[in-house]
Amino acid sequence: TQLLEQSPQFLSIQEGENLTVYCNSSSVFSSLQWYRQEPGEGPVLLVTVVTGGEVKKLKRLTFQFGDARKDSSLHITAAQPGDTGLYLCAGAKGNQFYFGTGTSLTVIP
Amino acid sequence: GAGVSQSPSNKVTEKGKDVELRCDPISGHTALYWYRQSLGQGLEFLIYFQGNSAPDKSGLPSDRFSAERTGGSVSTLTIQRTQQEDSAVYLCASSVNPLTSGGVGSYEQYFGPGTRLTVT
Repeated sequence: TQLLEQSPQFLSIQEGENLTVYCNSSSVFSSLQWYRQEPGEGPVLLVTVVTGGEVKKLKRLTFQFGDARKDSSLHITAAQPGDTGLYLCAGAKGNQFYFGTGTSLTVIP
Repeated sequence: GAGVSQSPSNKVTEKGKDVELRCDPISGHTALYWYRQSLGQGLEFLIYFQGNSAPDKSGLPSDRFSAERTGGSVSTLTIQRTQQEDSAVYLCASSVNPLTSGGVGSYEQYFGPGTRLTVT
């Protein structure tokens, strides 16, 4: 059973477009992280959100944690080819981290 | 500073053989996690170590899988009698103690590059 569902699973867009990736669950998490993973490498942490309703910005990336701490979104403005990768959300519950199904993003120059 | 390292980076083995995968966590990190990732998919939790406490083995898929962590540092994941469905990338991550450190940083995991296991 997958606790965190991400959508879309695949996304291919032109450079300069905006996009949003969603991470949804029926469970409450104490915190939620977003990672980006490139081929042949481990995931790299982008951000951690802890408070319901929290919004964090990292350059062109905006992360939001849902008010009920069950869901999150990642918005990228003016996507660039360097944003290409697998985006993973992960919710912390107790000692475990539950990872989402992943969103594979391709930004075409 | 040094990050999480894993070895080998790639391992090809014949069905039925045993394999050992190694993880060196970041110095000072007391929590260590093993995950499995199939091609292009999300991560599947396998096992969690925290200091000298009994590990959380709830994610291990079968009794062919086991893991040890010696001296609270290096960890070895062992897969016995490998099967083709064991083929995947095995990732290790470490973090500070999530139970005592408190704050946002207590939940951040740092990943190694993974070991790609191929069972033929």
